[in-house]
Amino acid sequence: GAGVSQTPSNKVTEKGKYVELRCDPISGHTALYWYRQSLGQGPEFLIYFQGTGAADDSGLPNDRFFAVRPEGSVSTLKIQRTERGDSAVYLCASSRAVGTGELFFGEGSRLTVL
Amino acid sequence: LAKTTQPISMDSYEGQEVNITCSHNNIATNDYITWYQQFPSQGPRFIIQGYKTKVTNEVASLFIPADRKSSTLSLPRVSLSDTAVYYCLVGDAPGNQFYFGTGTSLTVIP
Repeated sequence: GAGVSQTPSNKVTEKGKYVELRCDPISGHTALYWYRQSLGQGPEFLIYFQGTGAADDSGLPNDRFFAVRPEGSVSTLKIQRTERGDSAVYLCASSRAVGTGELFFGEGSRLTVL
Repeated sequence: LAKTTQPISMDSYEGQEVNITCSHNNIATNDYITWYQQFPSQGPRFIIQGYKTKVTNEVASLFIPADRKSSTLSLPRVSLSDTAVYYCLVGDAPGNQFYFGTGTSLTVIP
């Protein structure tokens, strides 16, 4: 596709449930980033991948959060035992490589935990 | 990582030039400065990036003084569609700007 695609665009779940959010980056982009954005706040860094490996996962808030990118393209952010405080917009971005300066963001997946 | 400080909000009339200043007193030698724009319900969009002096592209200019402890994003002749949140990021290589602050909410008034 022409841009970064994220699915689902909206997800409503109940506290304690498991959630997966998918990101399809721009074709050929080797770097992929996940951010979380709460209302009125700037995006909060979670993790980034260079190829298949997580180069920096220091932003993941706890071990309920995990992300994979098995083939170096599509990435999935996984959240276990969701809590109400996980409600936010989860943004994905990609770039040609780490170090190229410009991140291309998707429109995000809005997660609501009831 | 260098922390950034920006005004929380600004208002401007249509057609005026808008300057948004970002402070980054602890910027490191290798750090670049990048600005993003974000509209409601959309992901941020890259505007401009620089290391020193002045950078200009088709939408904005970025002014960086010699000490690099601040930077100013300049938007010429703003229109209503420039109403958005603007973020300043500082990081140690182009693309490694992981940390957004709370940004500056710009409102353009007709």
